[in-house]
Amino acid sequence: GQNIDQPTEMTATEGAIVQINCTYQTSGFNGLFWYQQHAGEAPTFLSYNVLDGLEEKGRFSSFLSRSKGYSYLLLKELQMKDSASYLCAVPPVLGGATNKLIFGTGTLLAVQP
Amino acid sequence: DAGVTQSPTHLIKTRGQQVTLRCSPKSGHDTVSWYQQALGQGPQFIFQYYEEEERQRGNFPDRFSGHQFPNYSSELNVNALLLGDSALYLCASSPRASGNTGELFFGEGSRLTVL
Repeated sequence: GQNIDQPTEMTATEGAIVQINCTYQTSGFNGLFWYQQHAGEAPTFLSYNVLDGLEEKGRFSSFLSRSKGYSYLLLKELQMKDSASYLCAVPPVLGGATNKLIFGTGTLLAVQP
Repeated sequence: DAGVTQSPTHLIKTRGQQVTLRCSPKSGHDTVSWYQQALGQGPQFIFQYYEEEERQRGNFPDRFSGHQFPNYSSELNVNALLLGDSALYLCASSPRASGNTGELFFGEGSRLTVL
């Protein structure tokens, strides 16, 4: 089966850097997604990692270590608008289906002035 | 280009009633999935529709059923509502060709409250 763990809540200061961790245990591996979800809104795609290493995309970067079952999302130069829930998700390898993802509970990030 | 649209945005029902939620996928997408998101939790996969058939199902009882129409839009039906069915119901779409490693596009959801 699949299990995904991420912290429930985090707080950071505007302009700072924050790292949101995600650990996973899966039967096989088919990549890892990060989504952002503002309160009352739809989740939106941030990143997809399938190979080890860091992928940078503007202020947001995502890291993957397949051997450790570990990923993190790094947010730089935090802005108030980055206050949101950040969801770690993996597609199942066995019994997978198009657009089926297994999500973690999400990490609620609060950015303070 | 409209993204994924869902209706209604909010609704309130009482226990035992039935509800129908609707979803129109993003233009060019033929595969639709439904997710249930309880407060403070991540979305949970309910089922997926492609070519008007349910292709895969998550761990949800038969009270949850769905339908996909020839224009790829979809409905989620929940019968005999329970208090625990209160949640945000999200619809997600993608092209089938993207497999399960492509980006999902979500609608803003239908928030169901069961009293």
